[in-house]
Amino acid sequence: GAVVSQHPSRVICKSGTSVKIECRSLDFQATTMFWYRQFPKQSLMLMATSNEGSKATYEQGVEKDKFLINHASLTLSTLTVTSAHPEDSSFYICSARTTSGLAGGRYEQYFGPGTRLTVT
Amino acid sequence: SQQGEEDPQALSIQEGENATMNCSYKTSINNLQWYRQNSGRGLVHLILIRSNEREKHSGRLRVTLDTSKKSSSLLITASRAADTASYFCATGIQGAQKLVFGQGTRLTINP
Repeated sequence: GAVVSQHPSRVICKSGTSVKIECRSLDFQATTMFWYRQFPKQSLMLMATSNEGSKATYEQGVEKDKFLINHASLTLSTLTVTSAHPEDSSFYICSARTTSGLAGGRYEQYFGPGTRLTVT
Repeated sequence: SQQGEEDPQALSIQEGENATMNCSYKTSINNLQWYRQNSGRGLVHLILIRSNEREKHSGRLRVTLDTSKKSSSLLITASRAADTASYFCATGIQGAQKLVFGQGTRLTINP
């Protein structure tokens, strides 16, 4: 099946620094990738939709200058949390959408394992 | 904003019993998907049901979709301790690429 990886799986950084999280589709090309944030015991909240070669579309309330998204290739999207603060501590999950007609639907999303960010 | 509302928010049953979780949504959808998430881990895709389908089975899972009521249910039969996890529904919105997740149900299977 389609595999999505994230790196790092866990990161601790100091307040005020920036952190970059990578999301890769390993065995398929993903024209669209999605970034979600999940706080403890809560659901996934979509932050932004990233299309290869174009600017990301951010959901309402998500600061685009704070959460920089780059989708430079069909297999890689990055999320950079700039000037991180403790309230940015969360579980960040990416997903990649394939349009290859896999079983179960044309527009199935495959999720990465997530990145746990802790800002101290 | 979250579209899906799930109930119950938490469910605790004995191993071997069936578990039913419900999901309601607000707008027109292309499909509805169910995911499982073990604590602190990523999502596992369980099943996708299209808007023109009413019921779908996969192993011990049975999903129904009622578009007139804008609701879906996930039934897990003969539950096992390993089924302990959070379960989320997610709707593929018509005219949009994104999935919108429900609040989730935390399922605990007691041995």
